[in-house]
Amino acid sequence: AQSVTQLGSHVSVSEGALVLLRCNYSSSVPPYLFWYVQYPNQGLQLLLKYTSAATLVKGINGFEAEFKKSETSFHLTKPSAHMSDAAEYFCAVSYASGGSYIPTFGRGTSLIVHP
Amino acid sequence: EAGVTQFPSHSVIEKGQTVTLRCDPISGHDNLYWYRRVMGKEIKFLLHFVKESKQDESGMPNNRFLAERTGGTYSTLKVQPAELEDSGVYFCASSQGASSGNTIYFGEGSWLTVV
Repeated sequence: AQSVTQLGSHVSVSEGALVLLRCNYSSSVPPYLFWYVQYPNQGLQLLLKYTSAATLVKGINGFEAEFKKSETSFHLTKPSAHMSDAAEYFCAVSYASGGSYIPTFGRGTSLIVHP
Repeated sequence: EAGVTQFPSHSVIEKGQTVTLRCDPISGHDNLYWYRRVMGKEIKFLLHFVKESKQDESGMPNNRFLAERTGGTYSTLKVQPAELEDSGVYFCASSQGASSGNTIYFGEGSWLTVV
């Protein structure tokens, strides 16, 4: 079965520092990969998605992720953290299932941004 | 355009009671999904509707959970009788199609606490 692993349930950075949230997936076929963000008391919002086009995907709010097939990774980065980036981030992978594509989520990583 | 809306946003019920969660997808979206997140764990897939038909209900935990989507518009998820382990956040999502690149839009979730 498809799965994703997010390394680190919590990541803490200082404001202005690089953000790196790690995601590895298991796959025997080309996956479709997503990053979602959940701000406090809000729903899940799509940050970006990889659907086999460019390996470097740019998303909203300055985030980007790079698909590396050799490493089965899809890490999320942002050059400079802002206080408003504090949220929980979820990596997801979707595969074909009976004609549909169902996202499977990781456990999430909480990003803490210190002033 | 309205997003995915869920009701109630929060619910506290006693063990053994019944709760019904409602989801209104984005207008025109044939695909509707239910997910659940128990505290500290991953967001888990429950089931997927295409219009009024259940396409995949492999994630439904047991027969205490019943999902319906009469008429192919809004959906309800009933838990009867509720148990303590049912506590968590229930997310509804919808998409226009079910192909790999289709974006799935999530609601803000219904937070259920069973005491």
